[in-house]
Amino acid sequence: ELKVEQNPLFLSMQEGKNYTIYCNYSTTSDRLYWYRQDPGKSLESLFVLLSNGAVKQEGRLMASLDTKARLSTLHITAAVHDLSATYFCAVDEGGSQGNLIFGKGTKLSVKP
Amino acid sequence: DTGVSQDPRHKITKRGQNVTFRCDPISEHNRLYWYRQTLGQGPEFLTYFQNEAQLEKSRLLSDRFSAERPKGSFSTLEIQRTEQGDSAMYLCASSPENFADTQYFGPGTRLTVL
Repeated sequence: ELKVEQNPLFLSMQEGKNYTIYCNYSTTSDRLYWYRQDPGKSLESLFVLLSNGAVKQEGRLMASLDTKARLSTLHITAAVHDLSATYFCAVDEGGSQGNLIFGKGTKLSVKP
Repeated sequence: DTGVSQDPRHKITKRGQNVTFRCDPISEHNRLYWYRQTLGQGPEFLTYFQNEAQLEKSRLLSDRFSAERPKGSFSTLEIQRTEQGDSAMYLCASSPENFADTQYFGPGTRLTVL
């Protein structure tokens, strides 16, 4: 059974600082997704990582995937308050269905 | 197209009642997914459609749950004899044929069972 673990689950950081969120998964998968969720809202797609070594960047966020280590990271550079949200990683369970297994999420709070 | 839509956005019901939710995917997306999310947790997969065919069901989907996508467009999720444990946010997502594409999520239906 595929399990997805994120850490930390809660992250409080100051504006301007850098930090990394980690996503570990238990079985082989070549597809990993990062989503953002604001309180009371639905999920917004951030990144789709489809191969080992994939790196994608959007603004202050950069995601990478190491399929051999079964690890993805979401790096935050020079955080700003607008990045405060819950970030989920999700891994394709396998096959062609696209069922996603989500981590518990990392609740990020960026303080001035 | 404005994205995935869900109706209603909020539903409060008494234990034992039946409820039905609707999801309209992004047009031309032939894959449609239902997830359930409880407070403080990530979404959990419930079921998946490719066009009108229901191809996968999670063991989380008890016999009280049924989903349909009759014409391969909108989908409904019905919960019969609701229980307090069914209280959650029910999310619908759609994606195009390529399974590697991201899934686009709707705003969700928040169910409260009293």
